[in-house]
Amino acid sequence: KAGVTQTPRYLIKTRGQQVTLSCSPISGHRSVSWYQQTPGQGLQFLFEYFSETQRNKGNFPGRFSGRQFSNSRSEMNVSTLELGDSALYLCASSLRADSTEKLFFGSGTQLSVL
Amino acid sequence: SQQGEEDPQALSIQEGENATMNCSYKTSINNLQWYRQNSGRGLVHLILIRSNEREKHSGRLRVTLDTSKKSSSLLITASRAADTASYFCATENRGSTLGRLYFGRGTQLTVWP
Repeated sequence: KAGVTQTPRYLIKTRGQQVTLSCSPISGHRSVSWYQQTPGQGLQFLFEYFSETQRNKGNFPGRFSGRQFSNSRSEMNVSTLELGDSALYLCASSLRADSTEKLFFGSGTQLSVL
Repeated sequence: SQQGEEDPQALSIQEGENATMNCSYKTSINNLQWYRQNSGRGLVHLILIRSNEREKHSGRLRVTLDTSKKSSSLLITASRAADTASYFCATENRGSTLGRLYFGRGTQLTVWP
């Protein structure tokens, strides 16, 4: 089975722009979650989707949004980029619907905001 | 914060030695998991221990959980240079909505050949 695929691997944007990141989960996994990783804050939960529904959202401003498609692929969007949005964005998928066990992570998208 | 905290922040050892990392957390949990991350890459799940378990083994890994102290430890025996990575504990907190794990800040392990 192919692993979790995230595209693009690297992105460079300027302040005020918007960006869309993509994540394809492992085949059969219906739960997709997103995390932001920075040296200062560590791993912070963004949101989680299951069967196209957002079940959980972390404490991020409304500039951060996401969605999930019927094939379980997910996208996250960040509008009006700020310097502080520079981070590694990680997507993870899991098989189970009723608990959060064994997340499978992609390699991440490294976003740099200049 | 509901995140866990790992200790130490950094650990440097020689190949063949054992590495022990500790994790403390603040709330009641359903399970605690350990993940490994190589520099700038995604995390890889290592082992999960449920709140009603006290110890688990997987290969060279041994995890313990003390829910009364809200702490866990990860022991890697006979370390290898390839074990060099960051190690994170993560908790599924009781009462927390699904799909969310709370990660610690990680321990950077360096194993010298």
